[in-house]
Amino acid sequence: AQSVAQPEDQVNVAEGNPLTVKCTYSVSGNPYLFWYVQYPNRGLQFLLKYITGDNLVKGSYGFEAEFNKSQTSFHLKKPSALVSDSALYFCAVRGSGGSYIPTFGRGTSLIVHP
Amino acid sequence: GAGVSQSPSNKVTEKGKDVELRCDPISGHTALYWYRQSLGQGLEFLIYFQGNSAPDKSGLPSDRFSAERTGGSVSTLTIQRTQQEDSAVYLCASGTGRITEAFFGQGTRLTVV
Repeated sequence: AQSVAQPEDQVNVAEGNPLTVKCTYSVSGNPYLFWYVQYPNRGLQFLLKYITGDNLVKGSYGFEAEFNKSQTSFHLKKPSALVSDSALYFCAVRGSGGSYIPTFGRGTSLIVHP
Repeated sequence: GAGVSQSPSNKVTEKGKDVELRCDPISGHTALYWYRQSLGQGLEFLIYFQGNSAPDKSGLPSDRFSAERTGGSVSTLTIQRTQQEDSAVYLCASGTGRITEAFFGQGTRLTVV
C-alpha cells in the first residue's frame, strides 16, 4: 500500500525567511509526487509535481520541491516566505506499481508571521 | 467557468435523510475522484472513475455511500440514511490521466444534525 507522511502538523516561519514543509512517501514502483495548497474554505490547488527527470522541480508562487529517492522524500521549499503563503499544504503520491489513485498526507499548516 | 464545479456548496441535513452531492468535472477529463476531508484530517479517498472502466469503490466507508458517473462526465455521490459522522467536506477532482495532477472543486460542506 502506498502512503505519505507529513511529520509536522504546523510550520511557523517569519516573513522573508526560507521555509520547508516535509514529506516522505512509500509506494510500489516509480513514485509520482505532488504538492497542493488549500486556502480556507477552498478546494486544493496544484502547486507542482515530480514525474521523472530533474530532481528539483519548480512550481507556482515561487515554490520548489526536491525529490530524493534514497530518502523517499519530497520536501516543499521556498527561499523567502510571504504572509500570503499561510495555508494548508498537502503532499500526495501515486505509484506505477499499484493503484494510480493519489494518496494524500494529513496536511501541514504553514503560518508565516509578519 | 473552466474548473471543477460542485453543488451544493453547503448542505445541512437531518440524521437519517439521504443526500446527493454533484460534481461537474473539467470537460474532457477522463478521471474523476471523490475524497472526504474531515476537520483536522487529511483527504480520505472514496471512489475513482477512469474513462469507461469499472469504478474503484475501495474507499467507500459503508454501503450507505454510492456514486455514479453518467456519460463520462457529471458525477453524483449519494449518502443514504446520513449519520453525524458523515459530516465533512466532500471534494471532487478530475484529471486527464493516471500520472497527471488532479484539479479540485471547492467542495461541498455537509453537516448532519
